[in-house]
Amino acid sequence: DTGVSQNPRHKITKRGQNVTFRCDPISEHNRLYWYRQTLGQGPEFLTYFQNEAQLEKSRLLSDRFSAERPKGSFSTLEIQRTEQGDSAMYLCASSLGEGNRVFGPGTRLTVL
Amino acid sequence: AQSVTQLDSHVSVSEGTPVLLRCNYSSSYSPSLFWYVQHPNKGLQLLLKYTSAATLVKGINGFEAEFKKSETSFHLTKPSAHMSDAAEYFCVVSDQDSNYQLIWGAGTKLIIKP
Repeated sequence: DTGVSQNPRHKITKRGQNVTFRCDPISEHNRLYWYRQTLGQGPEFLTYFQNEAQLEKSRLLSDRFSAERPKGSFSTLEIQRTEQGDSAMYLCASSLGEGNRVFGPGTRLTVL
Repeated sequence: AQSVTQLDSHVSVSEGTPVLLRCNYSSSYSPSLFWYVQHPNKGLQLLLKYTSAATLVKGINGFEAEFKKSETSFHLTKPSAHMSDAAEYFCVVSDQDSNYQLIWGAGTKLIIKP
């Protein structure tokens, strides 16, 4: 499958723990996006990369959130000291420039 | 700033009948508009997009949408619903003020009755 993959698909953690998610984009895509989606809502933009450079961060992305794309390929999203309000689906997408974004299946985070 | 409003949180139709999912947008510019579909446990999939070419846009799976500037609408239609169309549908506008980030509607859940 040459689509966007995300791991893990599901993560259950206790409040205060750190979690890290991984996204593997389509290999020739130079842009990578992270979104958060809560139940009954559309996705909210968190951040995006062009190659390894993080070009934009949403105000939704608090200091507890950090994203990296060290070699311009896969990306990780880390949440430190998780809170119950962080429970959501975290979506990754990639695109070639301004082309169509291809979305991964998402990682569902549950914070107990 | 751009915004998008999906007028119905749920739409229920019988299999074989037409589908209409409503979307209104607000934009200072000539917008780029999209419809995405999200099936349970699957990634978001692009159904169709409008980028200032033909106002009637045809997408995958028999869906189409018509851009109406005078009504600021971009409603999604399909002549005959299929059980496999049951999913969440999102209307999206591209925000030219924010480096073309996507602004998402809240979604419409399409329910197909047998």
